[in-house]
Amino acid sequence: DAKTTQPPSMDCAEGRAANLPCNHSTISGNEYVYWYRQIHSQGPQYIIHGLKNNETNEMASLIITEDRKSSTLILPHATLRDTAVYYCIVMGPGTASKLTFGTGTRLQVTL
Amino acid sequence: NAGVMQNPRHLVRRRGQEARLRCSPMKGHSHVYWYRQLPEEGLKFMVYLQKENIIDESGMPKERFSAEFPKEGPSILRIQQVVRGDSAAYFCASLKSGSSYNEQFFGPGTRLTVL
Repeated sequence: DAKTTQPPSMDCAEGRAANLPCNHSTISGNEYVYWYRQIHSQGPQYIIHGLKNNETNEMASLIITEDRKSSTLILPHATLRDTAVYYCIVMGPGTASKLTFGTGTRLQVTL
Repeated sequence: NAGVMQNPRHLVRRRGQEARLRCSPMKGHSHVYWYRQLPEEGLKFMVYLQKENIIDESGMPKERFSAEFPKEGPSILRIQQVVRGDSAAYFCASLKSGSSYNEQFFGPGTRLTVL
């Protein structure tokens, strides 16, 4: 699976959009980009995933660049409850693979 | 629809004792994964099981650790002769059979403390 690079930490004001970048320059053509998050002391939570098209669900949007070497997770209106560590994970098309977590981005949402 | 359940939530053991961690996956989920999170570290995959079968145990320590997912009942992660370095949060996740994508549902974790 391709490696990912994320900034270690970011801040965001409540109510503003949080844009979390991820670099995955060695991604293969059949590998997906997944995002999970871990709120303090809880189990991780799936957010969204995509292959090459932009995706949106009730939690977030995922923007993948045309060359697929990077992506951005967007939380459109961050709240204090979005404070968490966000993990960008690249994995193959198998739908039952283990998750390989990197160090992630610690997002702090402030008043 | 109950989520993934883990028990106990907190477990204290003395060095040399055995620890048994239980995980009940969501209804209809036949894939179970165990992950470990050492203090101030990231989550590390340990083992992936389907009913009665170990599919991938590449993250399991070679000694003292074992896992099972019997036909009936919860998945069990067993740690024999615990040492202080085993102190960590252990998370279980489950995946629905036939899922079209890898949305794993995580339990609340078991915090193991070895005295």
